[in-house]
Amino acid sequence: DAGVTQSPTHLIKTRGQQVTLRCSPKSGHDTVSWYQQALGQGPQFIFQYYEEEERQRGNFPDRFSGHQFPNYSSELNVNALLLGDSALYLCASSFQSGRGNQPQHFGDGTRLSIL
Amino acid sequence: GQQVMQIPQYQHVQEGEDFTTYCNSSTTLSNIQWYKQRPGGHPVFLIQLVKSGEVKKQKRLTFQFGEAKKNSSLHITATQTTDVGTYFCAAYSNDYKLSFGAGTTVTVRA
Repeated sequence: DAGVTQSPTHLIKTRGQQVTLRCSPKSGHDTVSWYQQALGQGPQFIFQYYEEEERQRGNFPDRFSGHQFPNYSSELNVNALLLGDSALYLCASSFQSGRGNQPQHFGDGTRLSIL
Repeated sequence: GQQVMQIPQYQHVQEGEDFTTYCNSSTTLSNIQWYKQRPGGHPVFLIQLVKSGEVKKQKRLTFQFGEAKKNSSLHITATQTTDVGTYFCAAYSNDYKLSFGAGTTVTVRA
């Protein structure tokens, strides 16, 4: 039973570039959430995708966008990268229950460094 | 939006000792979750508390939800080196947005 998988594991970009991160949810899960975790801080909610739609968004600018595919996998896109975007980006999956009480199953994350 | 505050930020513990970490909210929570993140790892779900005054145990870990559902605690007895990591509490501010506290980072002296 595969858990949440993310790619790539590490990425180095320069300011102004664009990046795409990928996530495959745990088998049987249909909901994907993305989080940004800066060093020494807790994960910050970026957005959540369910039924290929963004249904909740955290306090992140429009430079952060996403997509969910029919097979429930997801992408996170970040445009016009800033130095402050350097962080660990975590994908988490869950099974939609209609209410926000589901445990989140996290992947190992993508470590993004902006030079 | 919903915010949960955790104290202390750091906990240095002698192996074999007990400690408690706390999670507080200014608003009533529908439920609270606890996660553990080992150094270099990802958060791993530990437990969810839903009912007022609920207490749940996992071996040496005891989780409690306050009567007013505004605070929670995690108590670890007889700390071991395997307990090293950062413990986060998290709560849903609406149906879909999970907000994490800043975490309590635990180090253990052998």
